[in-house]
Amino acid sequence: QVQLVESGGGVVQPGGSLRLSCAASGFTFSSYGMHWVRQAPGKGLEWVAFIRYDGSNKYYADSVKGRFTISRDNSKNTLYLQMNSLRAEDTAVYYCAKFLGPLGAFDIWGQGTMVTVSS
Amino acid sequence: QSALTQPRSVSGSPGQSVTISCTGTSSDVGGYNYVSWYQQHPGKAPKLMIYDVSKRPSGVPDRFSGSKSGNTASLTISGLQAEDEADYYCCSYAGSYSWVFGGGTKLTVL
Repeated sequence: QVQLVESGGGVVQPGGSLRLSCAASGFTFSSYGMHWVRQAPGKGLEWVAFIRYDGSNKYYADSVKGRFTISRDNSKNTLYLQMNSLRAEDTAVYYCAKFLGPLGAFDIWGQGTMVTVSS
Repeated sequence: QSALTQPRSVSGSPGQSVTISCTGTSSDVGGYNYVSWYQQHPGKAPKLMIYDVSKRPSGVPDRFSGSKSGNTASLTISGLQAEDEADYYCCSYAGSYSWVFGGGTKLTVL
């Protein structure tokens, strides 16, 4: 069964850091690009970052560029999001999502992990 | 990139059809055939309903269909059912390996 399970969310102070993980199972993780998408409370979806299947290229939304880093460990079937210099506006549920490709859709989503940035 | 424009809400009675629009620009919706649609029930993760403008993943009922004309994409749900009540989001590739979502539309089944 294809599954993505996020972890690592929590409460962090402004300016702090957090690392999210996304464990994949049920598909050949190393063959697919992966994304992070977030959703602020009561708001819509926002694309955050994309990493190619082999980790060779990474892309970010302007809102997180220079602060967030997406990475993956294909030997552990795990996707990561390192979040630094966190701001109140980063408060959201963070979802990892499998890329259908080539430039299209996100076909499998995790259940999400909540990140709250607050003093 | 600016979010794609969707109506905040739409409604319909069981058995009827509804259409949700998603308006972007020539830099996103109008420039690529990579529009997708997601259904999200409260407290749940989004679910892919349509990809590449009009393709349906396996398991999605054929009551759901997608189309595009110029800078506007549309999701049509025919034969409305109670379980279709949810939030719907469109998404488009926006070039340079970036993606943009719509603001979301709340579908109410009367």
